[in-house]
Amino acid sequence: RKEVEQDPGPFNVPEGATVAFNCTYSNSASQSFFWYRQDCRKEPKLLMSVYSSGNEDGRFTAQLNRASQYISLLIRDSKLSDSATYLCVVISNFGNEKLTFGTGTRLTIIP
Amino acid sequence: DAGITQSPRHKVTETGTPVTLRCHQTENHRYMYWYRQDPGHGLRLIHYSYGVKDTDKGEVSDGYSVSRSKTEDFLLTLESATSSQTSVYFCAISEVYPGQGRGRTEAFFGQGTRLTVV
Repeated sequence: RKEVEQDPGPFNVPEGATVAFNCTYSNSASQSFFWYRQDCRKEPKLLMSVYSSGNEDGRFTAQLNRASQYISLLIRDSKLSDSATYLCVVISNFGNEKLTFGTGTRLTIIP
Repeated sequence: DAGITQSPRHKVTETGTPVTLRCHQTENHRYMYWYRQDPGHGLRLIHYSYGVKDTDKGEVSDGYSVSRSKTEDFLLTLESATSSQTSVYFCAISEVYPGQGRGRTEAFFGQGTRLTVV
């Protein structure tokens, strides 16, 4: 089983819609969680961290469910500029800071 | 932008030749990573480092070796390149500041190296 799993999509969503992604992880001792965004032929960049209590940044909401070992990302009122690949990231091996990425979910916002 | 650069940015090499990719950082971050990215597989960890001379294997380490003789440089070597190692390679850096209220930094990525093995 992969350490971090994501639905690869693609998700094709009309502009203005709400879209949600999930990501599951296998290591119950995982420490920290993030969502990254990657545009075509570019390097990944941090979108937001994921906190146990859930966190929101504008139209984006991230949630962590430790009991079920998954994290989620919700995008409300989607914009054309949200089209990208979204990668979940899990940190394990406390002290060694091993960063493991999911395969990514490709999102296309349709006008 | 974080000070992280990869070199070369593009390389074409022949099967069986050795190849070394360099990742250089000016942030003095402790943790450095090498990933490869292929369609359908996302970013897969090759090797990572948690300090000078401290490295560990990732999920796809076969055929690759690394060295970190100083904080700022993390080298990835393909001892004998194969066509299956054609990929885009990304380096990343991060840091942790325990007990100082700053927590963990995000992972910053280099711009990637496109390697083609023919």
